[in-house]
Amino acid sequence: GDSVTQMEGPVTLSEEACLTINCTYTATGYPSLFWYVQYPGEGLQLLLKATKADDKGSNKGFEATYRKETTSFHLEKGSVQVSDSAVYFCALRAYGGSQGNLIFGKGTKLSVKP
Amino acid sequence: KAGVTQTPRYLIKTRGQQVTLSCSPISGHRSVSWYQQTPGQGLQFLFEYFSETQRNKGNFPGRFSGRQFSNSRSEMNVSTLELGDSALYLCASSLVAGSTNEKLFFGSGTQLSVL
Repeated sequence: GDSVTQMEGPVTLSEEACLTINCTYTATGYPSLFWYVQYPGEGLQLLLKATKADDKGSNKGFEATYRKETTSFHLEKGSVQVSDSAVYFCALRAYGGSQGNLIFGKGTKLSVKP
Repeated sequence: KAGVTQTPRYLIKTRGQQVTLSCSPISGHRSVSWYQQTPGQGLQFLFEYFSETQRNKGNFPGRFSGRQFSNSRSEMNVSTLELGDSALYLCASSLVAGSTNEKLFFGSGTQLSVL
C-alpha cells in the first residue's frame, strides 16, 4: 500500500542554519504531496503542497519539489528562525483518492535555538 | 471566520467505557475527516464524511464509529475503550470532497486518556 517515510527527529539547529527534512513516498500513479506543520498544542496546518511531478510548493521561506524519479518531496529552508520550531509532517493523497484521506509520515520535530 | 472546533479538549475515561467526541467544521465546509495521532503510530486516518455519508474508512476496529449531521457537524464514538485508544484525535474539514486542490483545515484535537 501507499506509504510515506520521513527522516527521524528530533532535529536541532541554530537560528539562520539551513534545514532539510527528507521525505520519500511509495504510491501508485500520481499522488498529491503535502507538508503540514504542527505547533505545540495545536492542530496541523498546511505548509505547502504539490500536485504533479516537478511542481515546487513554497510558503514562508519553505520549499519542496515533487520528484517523481526519486519519489521524494524533501522540505528545505535556507535560514530557520526560532519560530519555526514545530513538528513537520510529510503526507500524500493517493491519485484519485478522497479529499480527507491523507497518509502521513511519522513526523520530524524541529527545534531551533537562538 | 471560526476555525474547526473540537470538544472537549481533554477527556479522561477508564477501560470499558465509551466516549463521544465532537467536531464542528468551518462554516460552509461539508467534508469532515478524523485522524488518530499517537507517538508510536503517528497520524492514522479513521474515516471521512461528506454530506452525512461516510466516504472512506481507515483500518480501525468496529469499536470506532462516526456520523455527520445535516449541519456538517460530526461526532466520533469509541466503545469499549482500551488503553491503546489513548491518543490525540484530530478532526479536519474541507469545503468539498474530491478536489485535488482542496486543503484540509485541522482542529486542535481532543486528547483522550484511557486509564
